[in-house]
Amino acid sequence: NAGVTQTPKFQVLKTGQSMTLQCAQDMNHEYMSWYRQDPGMGLRLIHYSVGAGITDQGEVPNGYNVSRSTTEDFPLRLLSAAPSQTSVYFCASSPGGPNTEAFFGQGTRLTVV
Amino acid sequence: AQSVAQPEDQVNVAEGNPLTVKCTYSVSGNPYLFWYVQYPNRGLQFLLKYITGDNLVKGSYGFEAEFNKSQTSFHLKKPSALVSDSALYFCAVRDHNTNAGKSTFGDGTTLTVKP
Repeated sequence: NAGVTQTPKFQVLKTGQSMTLQCAQDMNHEYMSWYRQDPGMGLRLIHYSVGAGITDQGEVPNGYNVSRSTTEDFPLRLLSAAPSQTSVYFCASSPGGPNTEAFFGQGTRLTVV
Repeated sequence: AQSVAQPEDQVNVAEGNPLTVKCTYSVSGNPYLFWYVQYPNRGLQFLLKYITGDNLVKGSYGFEAEFNKSQTSFHLKKPSALVSDSALYFCAVRDHNTNAGKSTFGDGTTLTVKP
């Protein structure tokens, strides 16, 4: 049981490049989320999904796209990277219901130069 | 709207002493409250949660937290700190009406336990 798996662990992009951060979970969780973590700012919600085919925006969605074609996968796409998107990105999943805790991946450290 | 405040960026304690990491929250309805811990270069790990019932919640690694509705607080505590407890701690809240994808996290508190 791998839990939540994020790839890659590290990435350096040039401004304007695009890339996809991958997230997969093997716990059959309905809910999945993407957060970014910046120093002194905690975790901020980018996008989330309550099930396959359903996504919605979080607190800081600009510059990011998501899709959820399967229960297991929830990729995060950066269409045109900007230095302001330099951050550590975490994917999380939870079984469902607001009283359930989240399971986090180990993060992707992204640097945009 | 929901929000969380962790008023201390840093908490320093000596090994063997009790520790407290503070958290206050704001929600429009009844809260679900969570504590997570993050070790360096790792993802967040769940410690404990308050859903309903007993105001004192016990969790992993000897941690506990006390829910205080009148003070809208959910402070994390441990009777005797270990050096290995040194990490970044996050409090999170959900309104019971929100879906599970939308948690609001505090900015985090760095706990340092000195030998």
